[in-house]
Amino acid sequence: GAGVSQTPSNKVTEKGKYVELRCDPISGHTALYWYRQSLGQGPEFLIYFQGTGAADDSGLPNDRFFAVRPEGSVSTLKIQRTERGDSAVYLCASSPPAYNEQFFGPGTRLTVL
Amino acid sequence: DAKTTQPTSMDCAEGRAANLPCNHSTISGNEYVYWYRQIHSQGPQYIIHGLKNNETNEMASLIITEDRKSSTLILPHATLRDTAVYYCIVRAHETSGSRLTFGEGTQLTVNP
Repeated sequence: GAGVSQTPSNKVTEKGKYVELRCDPISGHTALYWYRQSLGQGPEFLIYFQGTGAADDSGLPNDRFFAVRPEGSVSTLKIQRTERGDSAVYLCASSPPAYNEQFFGPGTRLTVL
Repeated sequence: DAKTTQPTSMDCAEGRAANLPCNHSTISGNEYVYWYRQIHSQGPQYIIHGLKNNETNEMASLIITEDRKSSTLILPHATLRDTAVYYCIVRAHETSGSRLTFGEGTQLTVNP
């Protein structure tokens, strides 16, 4: 079956611009996670949704970062006033109910010039 | 979540067993040991997890010491496609909803 998909695969933007990154989880997966990964580092947790609500957003670095999941399926990570330090691979993962494994997408590589 | 310590890199010959160690000396009684791997330019992939008993699946075996302070992931017959960064993660076991806290992992290189 289809896995987690993320669009775009690559995004280049200029400092100060607004970007949106999209995640399509596996159908039926109620939990959705966002992570970001800098070069040479392991992924770093950003936010977790259970259904439509953000159950844990403690990993968001500041108020320029925001994520939504309005219908409990697709999620969008929004970054305002991008900075060069936001450059990273943004990973999305989903999990079905009552299951511990997280299934990751291929990521979106964000480059802020 | 408890902190884990892994070697930065390891090499293994193709066809041989790869044994990847992980120390987690501060693990709590309700925390599980998870292993994920990340092949270059892909998202992480779940491998296996366990609490205190040894576990085996189609990908690997997980050996956890009796005091649970360390574990070893075993790939019994490594192939070139097993070249990846392997992450050992300690995590409270919930049905879903707890974050994965990744360290820097071990870069395993399988050589022909």
